[in-house]
Amino acid sequence: EVQLVESGGGLVQPGGSLRLSCAASGFTLSDHYMDWVRQAPGKGLEWVARSRNKANGYTTEYAASAKGRLTISRDDSKNSLYLQMNSLRTEDTAVYYCARGFHGFDVWGQGTTVTVSS
Amino acid sequence: DIQMTQSPSSLSASVGDRVTITCRASQDISNSLTWFQQKPGKAPKSLIYDASTLQSGVPSKFSGSGSGTDFTLTISSLQPEDFATYSCQQYKTYPYTFGPGTKVDIK
Repeated sequence: EVQLVESGGGLVQPGGSLRLSCAASGFTLSDHYMDWVRQAPGKGLEWVARSRNKANGYTTEYAASAKGRLTISRDDSKNSLYLQMNSLRTEDTAVYYCARGFHGFDVWGQGTTVTVSS
Repeated sequence: DIQMTQSPSSLSASVGDRVTITCRASQDISNSLTWFQQKPGKAPKSLIYDASTLQSGVPSKFSGSGSGTDFTLTISSLQPEDFATYSCQQYKTYPYTFGPGTKVDIK
């Protein structure tokens, strides 16, 4: 079964850091583009970042809100995707989902909640 | 950035109704559009990609159409499990952008 499971969310103070993980199973991570998408409380979905697959050199794309603070990476040997989040702001509070970027976003994880508050 | 709008923002419908939701892009995105269903507290579920292709395992009561800037999602016969929020998303150009969602609830 194809599955994504996120972890690493929590409560962090403004200016702090957090690293989210997404464990993939049922498929080979290196074959696929992978994304992070977030949803602030009561709001719509916001695309955050993309990591292209091995064949495309693992290059990345970011939303303007993420550039310079959030970094997407992966470890294909662990079949895992990551989002390193630095200099966090209150507006980064959201549920963060990882998604497989195939045929749109065909598979989603259940999400992990990040709360940025003092 | 490409702006995505949806109409209506919400609608009330009965079981068995045919429902149509519209999504509009601020510029031509060809057929690079996907539709999601989301229930409260749950992750989005992909229904349709490339504007009109059903994701594997999605029932045929869902259909999508459109190209360019105007798109529609149709649910042919609404069932209790279909009451949810539906969102569109373009993947033609970075940054990928989502519509604000259409909430479908029970009349």
